[in-house]
Amino acid sequence: QKEVEQDPGPLSVPEGAIVSLNCTYSNSAFQYFMWYRQYSRKGPELLMYTYSSGNKEDGRFTAQVDKSSKYISLFIRDSQPSDSATYLCAMSAGYSSASKIIFGSGTRLSIRP
Amino acid sequence: GAVVSQHPSRVICKSGTSVKIECRSLDFQATTMFWYRQFPKKSLMLMATSNEGSKATYEQGVEKDKFLINHASLTLSTLTVTSAHPEDSSFYICSAATSGRAPNNGEQFFGPGTRLTVL
Repeated sequence: QKEVEQDPGPLSVPEGAIVSLNCTYSNSAFQYFMWYRQYSRKGPELLMYTYSSGNKEDGRFTAQVDKSSKYISLFIRDSQPSDSATYLCAMSAGYSSASKIIFGSGTRLSIRP
Repeated sequence: GAVVSQHPSRVICKSGTSVKIECRSLDFQATTMFWYRQFPKKSLMLMATSNEGSKATYEQGVEKDKFLINHASLTLSTLTVTSAHPEDSSFYICSAATSGRAPNNGEQFFGPGTRLTVL
């Protein structure tokens, strides 16, 4: 069993739709949760991070963590074609992204105009 | 924001040659640098963690004699793929991490990646 599971997609939705991306994990030591966005042939960029359980909102993006279920989600509201990318969930047992990170396999997202 | 560069961005080499990839933190000092490998449509797999002035810590299954990592300064780490073979063709990404005190406990910043093709 992989430490982090993520549906690779691809996921295609029309512009303006709400997108839901999810990951599950097995290591209960994880406490720092991140979502990265990666465009083709580029390095990943940090979108959002959450420490422990709870919700966090930043503009059109909302990250949720449920440690009891070992389940994290990223919601994108009013999706735009520019949101088309691969989204990677990532987790760490440390207190920040400066620690060793385990990535999910990434979900390819396409927003249709 | 913090910038991490990689050089070269793309390299094509013949089988049996060695290739060196540089990773630099341009506007900050990185206490730790990480090297990842990413196959097409796959996730980033951590290869090794390196701290300035000390030997790198390799993940299980990564050959340290094959992938030589040098972290000579707080702004530069290099990955050398020795005697490269076609199966080493991949996208190699480095990251540089800052340290910090709570509530900012540091962050990992990623480079743009280097695409290696071994013929």
